[in-house]
Amino acid sequence: GQNIDQPTEMTATEGAIVQINCTYQTSGFNGLFWYQQHAGEAPTFLSYNVLDGLEEKGRFSSFLSRSKGYSYLLLKELQMKDSASYLCAVMDSNYQLIWGAGTKLIIKP
Amino acid sequence: NAGVTQTPKFRVLKTGQSMTLLCAQDMNHEYMYWYRQDPGMGLRLIHYSVGEGTTAKGEVPDGYNVSRLKKQNFLLGLESAAPSQTSVYFCASSYGDSVQPQHFGDGTRLSIL
Repeated sequence: GQNIDQPTEMTATEGAIVQINCTYQTSGFNGLFWYQQHAGEAPTFLSYNVLDGLEEKGRFSSFLSRSKGYSYLLLKELQMKDSASYLCAVMDSNYQLIWGAGTKLIIKP
Repeated sequence: NAGVTQTPKFRVLKTGQSMTLLCAQDMNHEYMYWYRQDPGMGLRLIHYSVGEGTTAKGEVPDGYNVSRLKKQNFLLGLESAAPSQTSVYFCASSYGDSVQPQHFGDGTRLSIL
């Protein structure tokens, strides 16, 4: 079966750095997406990785290792507004997105 | 620019009732999707469409029907609502290239009593 695993909840301090991990087992691989979802709102696109390595976008970076079935999202200089759920999704061989349950990130002052 | 608009935002139904959720996008996207989101679970694809007049089943299609009569609209119907269909429903759309990011509406919170 297809499976995406990510931690249920994480806590971090304002101004710090946090890494949210995602491991996957899917039928084929056509890329990995990270989305941010604030409570009660729509998911919004953060990043896309299809090749191994690190992609940087301002305070957010995403890393992919296809051989290990592993990705992480790195958030730097955390702000209170970063409190949200972070969703990992893998596009399988049928170009369908398989979604993880999300990681709820709590930022403390 | 409205993006993806879902109506209604909230709805309470009784078991056995039927209803239609409407999704409209103004980005000229080819692909449209309906998901449900339940606590502790990832988004699950109900149905999707790769163009006007086409629809296909996703992971959890039972109990739902869809139609894409116009490119900008994607309708999700519940034929006979059941308590197990209580969920938050999200519509999304993307360009006609499979690896493009999906853009989501704000969701419809549906409760079936």
